Amino acid sequence: DADVTQTPRNRITKTGKRIMLECSQTKGHDRMYWYRQDPGLGLRLIYYSFDVKDINKGEISDGYSVSRQAQAKFSLSLESAIPNQTALYFCATSVGDTQYFGPGTRLTVL
Amino acid sequence: AQSVTQLGSHVSVSEGALVLLRCNYSSSVPPYLFWYVQYPNQGLQLLLKYTSAATLVKGINGFEAEFKKSETSFHLTKPSAHMSDAAEYFCAVLLSGGYQKVTFGTGTKLQVIP
Repeated sequence: DADVTQTPRNRITKTGKRIMLECSQTKGHDRMYWYRQDPGLGLRLIYYSFDVKDINKGEISDGYSVSRQAQAKFSLSLESAIPNQTALYFCATSVGDTQYFGPGTRLTVL
Repeated sequence: AQSVTQLGSHVSVSEGALVLLRCNYSSSVPPYLFWYVQYPNQGLQLLLKYTSAATLVKGINGFEAEFKKSETSFHLTKPSAHMSDAAEYFCAVLLSGGYQKVTFGTGTKLQVIP
């Protein structure tokens, strides 16, 4: 089984809808991250969490919110999706200096 | 502030030819530097990392990178490209002693031509 899983893997939604992307990990890592990937822009950090009680904004947090329900679970929400949030979203965990990525969620907002 | 610049969003090489992917960094303190690889429809995985030990770092699948402080560079090389090397490669920087906020470059897609 994969150490970092993301659900759903693909999602198409409409403008204005609320969307939740979920991430679970079995690695036992305290630190978790949400990134979005856009062609030509690389990965940009949306939110990060260093433990269950610690949530921090990344460089592009506007329009997003997160919830750290447990050490193993970190969810990303789009309260009212807009087309420019169409992207590939990655969850990651880390220990030491290395990050471990999930397989990604491809989100399309129409 | 820390940043990385990857020169060339697309690189094409022939199978068996040298692979050279360029990365330059900017950091006010000694950095940790990484190369991650993303195969199609997959997440990123660590290829290799520099954490202030040996300046020549060897990674998986025959890749290596050399940290050159004077040039602020961390270029990725492989002597002989294989078809399976076709992927997108990301350079990344982490400030040593920092809170593990990694800054990624914009990526370089490597095409290997048979």
